[in-house]
Amino acid sequence: EDQVTQSPEALRLQEGESSSLNCSYTVSGLRGLFWYRQDPGKGPEFLFTLYSAGEEKEKERLKATLTKKESFLHITAPKPEDSATYLCAVQGTSGTYKYIFGTGTRLKVLA
Amino acid sequence: GAVVSQHPSWVICKSGTSVKIECRSLDFQATTMFWYRQFPKQSLMLMATSNEGSKATYEQGVEKDKFLINHASLTLSTLTVTSAHPEDSSFYICSASPTSGVYNEQFFGPGTRLTVL
Repeated sequence: EDQVTQSPEALRLQEGESSSLNCSYTVSGLRGLFWYRQDPGKGPEFLFTLYSAGEEKEKERLKATLTKKESFLHITAPKPEDSATYLCAVQGTSGTYKYIFGTGTRLKVLA
Repeated sequence: GAVVSQHPSWVICKSGTSVKIECRSLDFQATTMFWYRQFPKQSLMLMATSNEGSKATYEQGVEKDKFLINHASLTLSTLTVTSAHPEDSSFYICSASPTSGVYNEQFFGPGTRLTVL
């Protein structure tokens, strides 16, 4: 069964304190792994798509990496405005296009 | 680009009434749209997948007759919650995948907060 696990559930960082969020996945065949950011009361905002092990994507203070079993979202020198829930989702090659979502990591960056 | 809108952003209704939520892809065509439900501090739960011009595919445990989905065009999908009850109160979010996309990203709408009294 396809499964996605994110850790930690919650993370508090001081402004400027870099860290990483983890997304471990089990899928019969990976079509893609997706990272989203969600602010309270809003829909998820697309961040990155990763397709193959070794792939990396960057956007401002965020960098996503992918291995055959997990993905990391590295946050460098975070700012309070980076506070949000970060969601990871995988899409398998089973024939449907639906996502399997993780439960998310709630990030709080303190000034 | 890749903007998805939802209307209304919030709605309050009485128990027993029906509520329709619209999801539109504003700057792209979407053969496939998805409807999710989200409870406080929980992740998104997929309710159904809709393809333009065909019947929606519902996830296990989702009542087809209660949550009616219509995907009448490549830019519009609607979710109708029929005979709503307080337990249907939730945050409903739609997403759309561009028809022309090389990849399979889903772009999400801002969500609709439904409160049933």
